[in-house]
Order: sequence, then structure tokens, then C-alpha cells
Amino acid sequence: DAGITQSPRHKVTETGTPVTLRCHQTENHRYMYWYRQDPGHGLRLIHYSYGVKDTDKGEVSDGYSVSRSKTEDFLLTLESATSSQTSVYFCAIKEDTDTQYFGPGTRLTVL
Amino acid sequence: AQSVTQLDSHVSVSEGTPVLLRCNYSSSYSPSLFWYVQHPNKGLQLLLKYTSAATLVKGINGFEAEFKKSETSFHLTKPSAHMSDAAEYFCVVSDLGDSSYKLIFGSGTRLLVRP
Repeated sequence: DAGITQSPRHKVTETGTPVTLRCHQTENHRYMYWYRQDPGHGLRLIHYSYGVKDTDKGEVSDGYSVSRSKTEDFLLTLESATSSQTSVYFCAIKEDTDTQYFGPGTRLTVL
Repeated sequence: AQSVTQLDSHVSVSEGTPVLLRCNYSSSYSPSLFWYVQHPNKGLQLLLKYTSAATLVKGINGFEAEFKKSETSFHLTKPSAHMSDAAEYFCVVSDLGDSSYKLIFGSGTRLLVRP
């Protein structure tokens, strides 16, 4: 258990509303990641962080922003949600090796 | 650039028979390779990991995978399937030369185990 929690676990929202997903870790890992999972695509990287206030884009970053003001929290924000952002979102941490461990996921539905 | 191809989107086996899930990868540097499993409506669990220490890697629940550099393959096997193995399996690559340590996922193989 890598001590990762995600909140909320489920969310339904409407197109055009802002949404923030939270990832919390308890073990002070430097690297944290946000992925989205869609059928037929596996998981794809949205953004990642390599330290407090240090973030960078992944392959599907359009429409998303992130923030990391504390080591333990990594926030993913959809400024104006669209139906194409309906997905399951997973947070991950990287241990000292390059192994990543995943949180339980957040299922987001944008109507 | 890194990429992963899982050659079968669905595999169906009978309980007690062998499992083979196929994966090919491409990588510019020395790769780390992983298999993760996802049971229905669950998160991802690490099955096993290859990092160049040994080409045959043993994982949890009786799974193992063999790294074959000449074939750029990392197939997952299990001698005898159990009903509880029914899940989706992801082959994943990470390049040791990439400072982001990001993971590149295959599209997944759904394993069905018939009684």
C-alpha cells in the first residue's frame, strides 16, 4: 500500500463547470502523476510533478492544469469541463526505483 | 520514442490451462518493463517488473514474464489459470533515460477465464 488516496471517488458535473480532483500521499514521494483511463487507450499521462511547485505536461494535457503546493498533495483541475473529459482519473507516485503505484481512481462524468 | 503493443485485446482460456498475454515494445534507451493488472472497477496493481537484473521475472500470483531483447518482447505467462485471474492486463514501458520516469501503457488485454 503506497498510501495514496484520491477524492472525490465519483463525481458527476455539467459541461462548463470547473472541477478539481485531489491526490494525497502519506510517504513524501517526490514524483506524482495524473493519468486518465479510457477504453482502448490504456492509461495516458496528463501532467506530472517532480517536486513542490515543479510540474510538467504529459501527452494529453490540453484542458487540464495542476498544482502542487505541498509534497503530499497534487491537484488536477479542469477549468471548464467538457464531455470528452469524462473518464477515470488515476493518480500515481514513483518510489525511489522507477516503479509507480496508483491510487484507487476517480470516476468523472461530464454531462 | 517509446511505445507498447499488446497483440491481443481479448484472451479467453479455460480454468487450469496456461495463460499467454503478448506484449511488444519499442524504446530508445534501456527500458524498464512492467505488467499491471486491473480487476473490474478496481485500481491498478503491479504484477511484476523488469529492470535488467534477470531476463525471467517472477511476479505475484504465479505470473512471470520473459524479457527478450532480440524480439523486443515481454510476454506474460502463467502455467495454470484461475478464475480470479479474470481481469485486464497492461504492459507498460518506461525509459531509464527519461527524467520524467513517465509510463507508456499498452491498450490492455482482457483475460476471460472459463470454468
